[in-house]
Amino acid sequence: GENVEQHPSTLSVQEGDSAVIKCTYSDSASNYFPWYKQELGKGPQLIIDIRSNVGEKKDQRIAVTLNKTAKHFSLHITETQPEDSAVYFCAASKNNAGNMLTFGGGTRLMVKP
Amino acid sequence: DVKVTQSSRYLVKRTGEKVFLECVQDMDHENMFWYRQDPGLGLRLIYFSYDVKMKEKGDIPEGYSVSREKKERFSLILESASTNQTSMYLCASCGDTEAFFGQGTRLTVV
Repeated sequence: GENVEQHPSTLSVQEGDSAVIKCTYSDSASNYFPWYKQELGKGPQLIIDIRSNVGEKKDQRIAVTLNKTAKHFSLHITETQPEDSAVYFCAASKNNAGNMLTFGGGTRLMVKP
Repeated sequence: DVKVTQSSRYLVKRTGEKVFLECVQDMDHENMFWYRQDPGLGLRLIYFSYDVKMKEKGDIPEGYSVSREKKERFSLILESASTNQTSMYLCASCGDTEAFFGQGTRLTVV
């Protein structure tokens, strides 16, 4: 089955700096790669996703890149703010949608004011 | 505003008890999922259902069962709770695009 590895497990940055979280996947048939943000006491919420026919996608301060050949994808957050502090999860699926997601282990991002 | 609602935020149960975790979604989604979240392990799929009365095992189904009698409701059942089932449980539903999660139930088995 699919295996998703996520690094780093914790990340501390200064407010205004950039943060990068990286994931690798094992199944070349995977075609949908969402990123979820989980704030304290809440369930995960989708922040951005990318499909295998696209190499990069941006939404304001958040961007995701996908390298299908190397089977890795990354989340980039620019100009970090304290409210970006949360746990972030990457995931992969073969269904081109949020069904049957395999998740990475999560990254705890701390943005210091 | 789309919603996945889990019936309890926190539960404390004794070893050997039968435990029911309930989840309701209001998006008319066919697909519903139960995940377990543990530090460093991410979210692991326990069971899923793609239609009423249908269920499929996920990656870690041992010690769990599920019930889907109505489209909007998906229940996770711990037949005989054990301490190693202490965890955060997350329900999700999905249509053709993204998955939506509930707020989670933190279960402690003592």
